Amino acid sequence: DGGITQSPKYLFRKEGQNVTLSCEQNLNHDAMYWYRQDPGQGLRLIYYSQIVNDFQKGDIAEGYSVSREKKESFPLTVTSAQKNPTAFYLCASSIVGGNTEAFFGQGTRLTVV
Amino acid sequence: AQSVTQLDSQVPVFEEAPVELRCNYSSSVSVYLFWYVQYPNQGLQLLLKYLSGSTLVKGINGFEAEFNKSQTSFHLRKPSVHISDTAEYFCAVSDLRRGSARQLTFGSGTQLTVLP
Repeated sequence: DGGITQSPKYLFRKEGQNVTLSCEQNLNHDAMYWYRQDPGQGLRLIYYSQIVNDFQKGDIAEGYSVSREKKESFPLTVTSAQKNPTAFYLCASSIVGGNTEAFFGQGTRLTVV
Repeated sequence: AQSVTQLDSQVPVFEEAPVELRCNYSSSVSVYLFWYVQYPNQGLQLLLKYLSGSTLVKGINGFEAEFNKSQTSFHLRKPSVHISDTAEYFCAVSDLRRGSARQLTFGSGTQLTVLP
């Protein structure tokens, strides 16, 4: 089955540590996205990429970094510079242009302890 | 820039009653419109989308929405809800420009709780 796989589902991090969230898709989509979800605030865009080796900042990119070395993969690193990293992180993918929607993974819940 | 306003953060409704979840948006360009549903600790699932054509859009699980361009609204409706419809619902918009990625601007969500 085609889809988006995020791992791990739950992640705990100590303050001051970097952590990387995995996102893999086998939908052959060119575009991939990372969103952060906080209670009562909906989803906010962190980074997105339309093509391999290229990505753009979203609305809340500070304290995060990404890479896009392969079409299928778009890992997100939450750095120690991110002041409030505890959140639910969602990865999505879509085609570029065209009449279609974004497809979402099942999310990773990150907790700083 | 785009923005999405979901007017109700919580909507309780009794089983088999009708429900409407309200969504208004603002944008300087034409947009696509979406409703997604999220069950606890899960990702988002597409309910329905408006891209063009008929302003009344039918989706999964008996939901429908109507695009009203003059009122910049995209309200979600269901004539008779079930306990299993209890979830959070998100309205979202995406830039219509050709060749652009589908980055979405979301509303803050509406928690629908269906009571027995």
